[in-house]
Amino acid sequence: GENVEQHPSTLSVQEGDSAVIKCTYSDSASNYFPWYKQELGKRPQLIIDIRSNVGEKKDQRIAVTLNKTAKHFSLHITETQPEDSAVYFCAASGPSIQGAQKLVFGQGTRLTINP
Amino acid sequence: KAGVTQTPRYLIKTRGQQVTLSCSPISGHRSVSWYQQTPGQGLQFLFEYFSETQRNKGNFPGRFSGRQFSNSRSEMNVSTLELGDSALYLCASSLVGDRYEQYFGPGTRLTVT
Repeated sequence: GENVEQHPSTLSVQEGDSAVIKCTYSDSASNYFPWYKQELGKRPQLIIDIRSNVGEKKDQRIAVTLNKTAKHFSLHITETQPEDSAVYFCAASGPSIQGAQKLVFGQGTRLTINP
Repeated sequence: KAGVTQTPRYLIKTRGQQVTLSCSPISGHRSVSWYQQTPGQGLQFLFEYFSETQRNKGNFPGRFSGRQFSNSRSEMNVSTLELGDSALYLCASSLVGDRYEQYFGPGTRLTVT
């Protein structure tokens, strides 16, 4: 089955700097890669996603890149702000029948933005 | 639109008991997935339901079961509770077809003593 590895497990950056979180997946058939942000005591929140037919996607300060050949994808956050502090999870999902989706998550990265 | 809702939010049970958790998806969403979140194992997929049918299942023992009703609301049941079942149980809903985005509910925090 699919396996997703996420690095680093913790990341501390200065406010205003960039943060990068990387994930690798094992199943070459996976075609959907979302990223979730989870603040303490709250639900995981979908922040950006990418499908296998796209190499890069941006949404304001957040971007995700996908390298299908190497089977890895990354989250980039620029101009980090204190409210970006949270745990970030990557996930991967394979081909589905009428949306029968199974997300396999990485172990999470605890991102701390230092003022 | 209202988001995904889950009840109850907190639950304390003793070993050997059973528990039922409920999830109401976003209006119009017909797929409901369940996940277990623990500090040690992270987020793990339990199962996914669509049109009252389980279409996908994770690697959990048979003590974990679920169902979905005709209005897309879903319940999951854990029987013969063990201490290791203490976790945050999250459900997520999504449209079907080519829209994969899953949106999570606030979770039910289950503590087994």
